[in-house]
Amino acid sequence: GIQVEQSPPDLILQEGANSTLRCNFSDSVNNLQWFHQNPWGQLINLFYIPSGTKQNGRLSATTVATERYSLLYISSSQTTDSGVYFCAVVYNFNKFYFGSGTKLNVKP
Amino acid sequence: EAGVAQSPRYKIIEKRQSVAFWCNPISGHATLYWYQQILGQGPKLLIQFQNNGVVDDSQLPKDRFSAERLKGVDSTLKIQPAKLEDSAVYLCASSLVGTGPQHFGDGTRLSIL
Repeated sequence: GIQVEQSPPDLILQEGANSTLRCNFSDSVNNLQWFHQNPWGQLINLFYIPSGTKQNGRLSATTVATERYSLLYISSSQTTDSGVYFCAVVYNFNKFYFGSGTKLNVKP
Repeated sequence: EAGVAQSPRYKIIEKRQSVAFWCNPISGHATLYWYQQILGQGPKLLIQFQNNGVVDDSQLPKDRFSAERLKGVDSTLKIQPAKLEDSAVYLCASSLVGTGPQHFGDGTRLSIL
């Protein structure tokens, strides 16, 4: 199967700081999504980004499929950004794998 | 647009009992997924349906877990008999097409005593 590795596993930020989260995958993928799991356990779609760059407010993501990685940028972080960020890939058109996540804590 | 609906939100049972979860996907979404998320881990895919057919159930413990999507819309996931290690959040997701973006329900938190 495919390996999906996220880094760092844990991140503590002061409110207003910027951060970059990384997702590496070991084989070609058909799809990649970034999710935010809030402290109440809800999984929220952030980006559907099999390749290229997308931006949504303070968040942006870039996937370089040929080099098998994706980056999630959070600028001017807020306490509401706290939670766990997951990347998930579709492999072989119907195999879904989640990474182990990056746990973010934004302090006021 | 209504999101993915799941029930119940919480369930507490004793080991060896049975339990069932229900999911109603977003209207028009052909693909439905059930995931298990153990505390501190990422979600693990249990089963994927395309309409009412199974696409992938390779990680479903078939000796105790079963799932169905009879009319290609709602789905149920059953565990019988439950074990202590089944304590987890069970998440349902749907997508318009098989490789498209997935949308998740709020999950069912299962505790086994």
